[in-house]
Amino acid sequence: AQRVTQPEKLLSVFKGAPVELKCNYSYSGSPELFWYVQYSRQRLQLLLRHISRESIKGFTADLNKGETSFHLKKPFAQEEDSAMYYCALKAQGGSEKLVFGKGTKLTVNP
Amino acid sequence: NAGVTQTPKFRVLKTGQSMTLLCAQDMNHEYMYWYRQDPGMGLRLIHYSVGEGTTAKGEVPDGYNVSRLKKQNFLLGLESAAPSQTSVYFCASSTGTDYPQHFGDGTRLSIL
Repeated sequence: AQRVTQPEKLLSVFKGAPVELKCNYSYSGSPELFWYVQYSRQRLQLLLRHISRESIKGFTADLNKGETSFHLKKPFAQEEDSAMYYCALKAQGGSEKLVFGKGTKLTVNP
Repeated sequence: NAGVTQTPKFRVLKTGQSMTLLCAQDMNHEYMYWYRQDPGMGLRLIHYSVGEGTTAKGEVPDGYNVSRLKKQNFLLGLESAAPSQTSVYFCASSTGTDYPQHFGDGTRLSIL
């Protein structure tokens, strides 16, 4: 069974501090992993996906198959990063479904 | 483009009432999804559709029905609403399995 675990419900950091949102997954095959973000009063939107190897809004995430993790990192947090972050997994091989973690609410304090 | 549009945005129902939530997308996407979002539970897939005329069950399908009569629309029905169905409902669509999902703004549903 596929499972995504985000161990922190809440995460609070100060502006300019590094931030890491943890995501661990359970899946026997080769997964595709995503981070989605939901800013206050906005719709859920894709932040980044591991196959793209991009940096979006200063965030990066590396897939670590040995540790089955896909942690989201940013070296210097900004107040506008405050949002709800969801890690999601899609099984490769044409699976239509995303499995979401329970989310981490990030608050960046001034 | 409007993207994914959900109607209504808010609704209050009494236990036992029925209603239909509408999701419309103008991106010609094949795949459409209905999720519910509850505090501490994240997003859970209710039903999904891989094309016009097809539907499939997700993680939490009980108490809900769906229909995809037109490619651009995906309807979520509650035949007999229960307080446990109080939630925020999100619709999403995507081009295919290798593409990200685009979400609507959500429908906040309260059942008294």
